[in-house]
Amino acid sequence: EVQLLESGGGLVQPGGSLRLSCAASGFTFSSYAMSWVRQAPGKGLEWVSAIIGSGGGTVYSNSVKGRFTISRDNSKNTMYLQMNSLRAEDTAVYYCAKSVSGAAYSNIDYWGQGTLVTVSS
Amino acid sequence: EIVLTQSPGTLSLSPGERATLSCRASQSVGSSYLAWYQQKPGQAPRLLIYGASSRATGIPDRFSGSGSGTDFSLTISRLEPEDFAVYYCQQYGNSPFTFGPGTKVDFK
Repeated sequence: EVQLLESGGGLVQPGGSLRLSCAASGFTFSSYAMSWVRQAPGKGLEWVSAIIGSGGGTVYSNSVKGRFTISRDNSKNTMYLQMNSLRAEDTAVYYCAKSVSGAAYSNIDYWGQGTLVTVSS
Repeated sequence: EIVLTQSPGTLSLSPGERATLSCRASQSVGSSYLAWYQQKPGQAPRLLIYGASSRATGIPDRFSGSGSGTDFSLTISRLEPEDFAVYYCQQYGNSPFTFGPGTKVDFK
């Protein structure tokens, strides 16, 4: 059974940093691309970033490019999102998601339950 | 960046009725890399359709997807009580991989 468990969310001040983690199990982690998708309170889904299975390629939304860094450690079956220069508009539930293949250009088939990030002074 | 527009914003229907949701892209979505997700309150999204028209594993056949290029649709042939939710389309053919704003299907 595929399981995705996010952690690392919390309250951070504007301009601060936070690192999210996603621990994966139930599948061969290195064979699949992974993504982060966020959802602001009461709003729709916003795709944030994706990383290919090998970790050698990444893509980002325009709203986080240059501030967020996605990475993965295939030896630990874990994906990360380093978030710097955080803004109030980054406040959201951040979902970890698994893709159907190792390529970045593939759809998501499993989602974690999300971790809440609140950016506020 | 490809912008996805979903219509209508809200669809008010009764169980047993047919629902047709639209997703329009600002430019052509390559290779029909278009997916549909269902989200219920307090839950993570669930994949329904990928590749514009392929049902995901375990999805009932009352859900169907169609379309290509810039115009796509999701049809629920006969609404069941558990189908009342928000539905999002997403394109994954061009980075950044954008979502539409969603269509809420609620009880009339």
